Amino acid sequence: QKEVEQDPGPLSVPEGAIVSLNCTYSNSAFQYFMWYRQYSRKGPELLMYTYSSGNKEDGRFTAQVDKSSKYISLFIRDSQPSDSATYLCAMSAGGTSYGKLTFGQGTILTVHP
Amino acid sequence: EPEVTQTPSHQVTQMGQEVILRCVPISNHLYFYWYRQILGQKVEFLVSFYNNEISEKSEIFDDQFSVERPDGSNFTLKIRSTKLEDSAMYFCASSVRERYNEQFFGPGTRLTVL
Repeated sequence: QKEVEQDPGPLSVPEGAIVSLNCTYSNSAFQYFMWYRQYSRKGPELLMYTYSSGNKEDGRFTAQVDKSSKYISLFIRDSQPSDSATYLCAMSAGGTSYGKLTFGQGTILTVHP
Repeated sequence: EPEVTQTPSHQVTQMGQEVILRCVPISNHLYFYWYRQILGQKVEFLVSFYNNEISEKSEIFDDQFSVERPDGSNFTLKIRSTKLEDSAMYFCASSVRERYNEQFFGPGTRLTVL
């Protein structure tokens, strides 16, 4: 079983739709959960950073972590064409992992006008 | 807004040659990282660096790889003898000590080994 699994899509939605992206993981030591956005041939851009379980909201973005199910989600409300990108989940165990992030495959999202 | 910068943006080299990829992390950050992304694959951790020494490295980071902070601003990744399979995007990242998992990435260097 892969440590972090993410459906690569592609996912295509109309402008204004609510987008749901998710990842599952197998390593119960993961405590820190991040979402990155990556445009083609660019570096990952940090969107959301969460610790342990619960929800976190930032503007149109909401991140959810369910550690009991080993499942994390990113919701994008009122999606815009500029949200079209690859979304990467990333996780870290903290402690002595010294910031080693383990990434998912990435989900390609297209928001069409 | 402060950002991580990387040079060059694209490096082409012949197999067996040495390459040095350069990064300037965000100025008040103390943790530094290198990741790579082979075309179409996941972003993979290579190495973390703190207090002038390697904190952790992956299986990929073998004896052909080394990192250095030669001065107060630069952070470099050296590949001693490049192989075809080293062709990838290489990303530098940095973070503050208190939230070292909250990493900010540079734009990447695309390395092509011929």
